[in-house]
Amino acid sequence: SAVISQKPSRDICQRGTSLTIQCQVDSQVTMMFWYRQQPGQSLTLIATANQGSEATYESGFVIDKFPISRPNLTFSTLTVSNMSPEDSSIYLCSVRPGRPLLTDTQYFGPGTRLTVL
Amino acid sequence: QQQVKQSPQSLIVQKGGISIINCAYENTAFDYFPWYQQFPGKGPALLIAIRPDVSEKKEGRFTISFNKSAKQFSLHIMDSQPGDSATYFCAASIETSGSRLTFGEGTQLTVNP
Repeated sequence: SAVISQKPSRDICQRGTSLTIQCQVDSQVTMMFWYRQQPGQSLTLIATANQGSEATYESGFVIDKFPISRPNLTFSTLTVSNMSPEDSSIYLCSVRPGRPLLTDTQYFGPGTRLTVL
Repeated sequence: QQQVKQSPQSLIVQKGGISIINCAYENTAFDYFPWYQQFPGKGPALLIAIRPDVSEKKEGRFTISFNKSAKQFSLHIMDSQPGDSATYFCAASIETSGSRLTFGEGTQLTVNP
């Protein structure tokens, strides 16, 4: 499996500001994803972070609000822009390993707990 | 549109009992069905997964039963232990469409000692 770390683990932010969340993997992975989990709720996919190209966003999520970077095969960032209290959630990075595992399995990071005041 | 529906929302089981969580899906193109376990303050951890070409998969105390015609799958936890108390999520994805996971609503399992 892949070992995934996220920074920060939690943060409290003021509305109108932006926060960038980092996701680091201990090995090269083919696919990286960003999910949002609102308090007591299930996980919703925000976007697929594509290495060397623009992220692919799911319905309801836009690049201006959630810009994503993926400069290489082990690292990605998600920025939550112009935050409002409705953005208070846990943000999770997940990865799908590439070779040699070649599995559909996704592994999740520990998450970043964001509170917007 | 909720493509994966999970039930029950919460479940209380006595130690040593069997915990059963059910999921139903709508999209027949789904071809990978994992279950995740999540403890408070942690990210989801893969528990067990199945593909639609088999009807059952067992790993230790955890078993997935899969019914392709009914578009349903379930997680059985045998000999449930207090340490199994967590939130469980079923999910589904399509391998050829980027493996994006669609999650069920989650089941909060409590195993009483």
